[in-house]
Amino acid sequence: GAGVSQSPSNKVTEKGKDVELRCDPISGHTALYWYRQSLGQGLEFLIYFQGNSAPDKSGLPSDRFSAERTGGSVSTLTIQRTQQEDSAVYLCASSPTTSDYTDTQYFGPGTRLTVL
Amino acid sequence: QKEVEQNSGPLSVPEGAIASLNCTYSDRGSQSFFWYRQYSGKSPELIMFIYSNGDKEDGRFTAQLNKASQYVSLLIRDSQPSDSATYLCAGMKTSYDKVIFGPGTSLSVIP
Repeated sequence: GAGVSQSPSNKVTEKGKDVELRCDPISGHTALYWYRQSLGQGLEFLIYFQGNSAPDKSGLPSDRFSAERTGGSVSTLTIQRTQQEDSAVYLCASSPTTSDYTDTQYFGPGTRLTVL
Repeated sequence: QKEVEQNSGPLSVPEGAIASLNCTYSDRGSQSFFWYRQYSGKSPELIMFIYSNGDKEDGRFTAQLNKASQYVSLLIRDSQPSDSATYLCAGMKTSYDKVIFGPGTSLSVIP
């Protein structure tokens, strides 16, 4: 079956512009995560959705960052007034919500964002 | 204190040796632990998960969990150059809590 897809795969934008990153999770997966990864660094948690709700937004770096999820499926991460420090790979992952603690995350290919 | 900690490495082992990757966690409520592998420029992919104390084996990989010591490890037997990657440890309390990732350990297997 289809895996997690993300679009665009690459995005180059100018400082101060807004960008939208999209994530299509695996069908039926209730949990969805957004992470940011800078070159050579670990995963930086941004936000977590369970269904359409976001129980944990603690990782969003500033109020320029927002995310939503509709229909328990597609999610969009929006970055307003982009800054050069926002340049990174943005990864989305989805997982089923099981009752036996085996919730594997499946990662998308990522969106590489470059802010000039 | 970070919730999940790993030695950042890099860890270098010769081909054919056993690579030992370690992870500690601070939240005693954590139930399940996951090991992901991330090749440079690629997304993380699951190697295996463990939620019971003791050892779990899958091919060349063995995960070990000691909840009393709050310690998780991954052993890779007969290490191959293709095992060279960053290994991420992650923990979860319940299915409705977010998964917490460690910073990852870089492994290099030398031919």
